Amino acid sequence: AQSVAQPEDQVNVAEGNPLTVKCTYSVSGNPYLFWYVQYPNRGLQFLLKYITGDNLVKGSYGFEAEFNKSQTSFHLKKPSALVSDSALYFCAVNSGNTPLVFGKGTRLSVIA
Amino acid sequence: GAGVSQSPSNKVTEKGKDVELRCDPISGHTALYWYRQSLGQGLEFLIYFQGNSAPDKSGLPSDRFSAERTGGSVSTLTIQRTQQEDSAVYLCASSAGTGINEQYFGPGTRLTVT
Repeated sequence: AQSVAQPEDQVNVAEGNPLTVKCTYSVSGNPYLFWYVQYPNRGLQFLLKYITGDNLVKGSYGFEAEFNKSQTSFHLKKPSALVSDSALYFCAVNSGNTPLVFGKGTRLSVIA
Repeated sequence: GAGVSQSPSNKVTEKGKDVELRCDPISGHTALYWYRQSLGQGLEFLIYFQGNSAPDKSGLPSDRFSAERTGGSVSTLTIQRTQQEDSAVYLCASSAGTGINEQYFGPGTRLTVT
């Protein structure tokens, strides 16, 4: 069975500081990994994905994520946080044509 | 182009009533998904459609829930005899295919069962 863990319900970071939102996964076969963001009162938006190739993937709004196969992790990072990055972030995984499995989400709060 | 749209945006219903939620996917997307988002619970997969294949209904929580997709486009999620625990935001997403393709989400329908 596939699963995703986001160990932090809440991450607080000062504006301008680097941010990390953690995600670990469990899947049979090769993982396809995704990050989505949900701003208040809006639907989920795709940020980035890892399918194959380079372990560091870059996405929208300056976000990036690093795939680490040995640690089964796919942490989301940004070098310099903005107040406007404050939102709910979801990590998700599937393998082949199986449905996406989402983590419970991490609420990021960037403080000015 | 237009994104995924859902209607209604909000629905309040009495316990025991049936409700229908509608999803219009992005034109040309062959895959369509339904999820449920409850407070503090993340996203729960309900059902997905891929082309003309039989839908994957493995996430439907009970036989009160059903969904159909007509003409490979619009989808309707039906909840019969609603219960208070059905209260949640129901999200629809579509993608160009399954697996490696990212999903595009609609704004959701907030269902409240009183």
